[in-house]
Amino acid sequence: DAGVTQSPTHLIKTRGQQVTLRCSPKSGHDTVSWYQQALGQGPQFIFQYYEEEERQRGNFPDRFSGHQFPNYSSELNVNALLLGDSALYLCASSLNFNQPQHFGDGTRLSIL
Amino acid sequence: DQQVKQNSPSLSVQEGRISILNCDYTNSMFDYFLWYKKYPAEGPTFLISISSIKDKNEDGRFTVFLNKSAKHLSLHIVPSQPGDSAVYFCAASEGAAGNKLTFGGGTRVLVKP
Repeated sequence: DAGVTQSPTHLIKTRGQQVTLRCSPKSGHDTVSWYQQALGQGPQFIFQYYEEEERQRGNFPDRFSGHQFPNYSSELNVNALLLGDSALYLCASSLNFNQPQHFGDGTRLSIL
Repeated sequence: DQQVKQNSPSLSVQEGRISILNCDYTNSMFDYFLWYKKYPAEGPTFLISISSIKDKNEDGRFTVFLNKSAKHLSLHIVPSQPGDSAVYFCAASEGAAGNKLTFGGGTRVLVKP
């Protein structure tokens, strides 16, 4: 039973570019959330998708957008990359809103 | 405004002894609390949770205690094992365990053989 899978594992971009990160939830899970984890800090919530709609959103600018597909997989898009966007981006999925979230191993994004 | 705080950045404990990790929160709307463990180069792994209607939840070697009046929770690991060496995050959510999680900054635990 595959857990949450994310791709790519590492990515290097330059300022001003755009990036797309991908996530496949754990089998049977229909809710996907994205988090940003800066070095030495706890993860920060970006947004959550359910039934292909953004259900909740954290304090992130509109440069951060997402999408959920009919098979429940999800994408995180970041436009106009800044140096401060360098972080580990974590995807999490849950069976429903009442169940704990399970995390993937993340995508390490470095901005030069 | 940090709504969830873990004031101890690190903890060292001897194998076989108890590890106690602490977490404080400020938002009284939080009603679910979770602990995650994170190894390097891996994502956080869910350990144990507790809802605000309880004051204790136990799962094997892991017990979480919640003191709502003090807005404080703790994770006890007994007995501690070398494989428990990791970073532990406290997290909280409003309304349901699967909702937006607000995390603390983490506590690095080292269990010495």
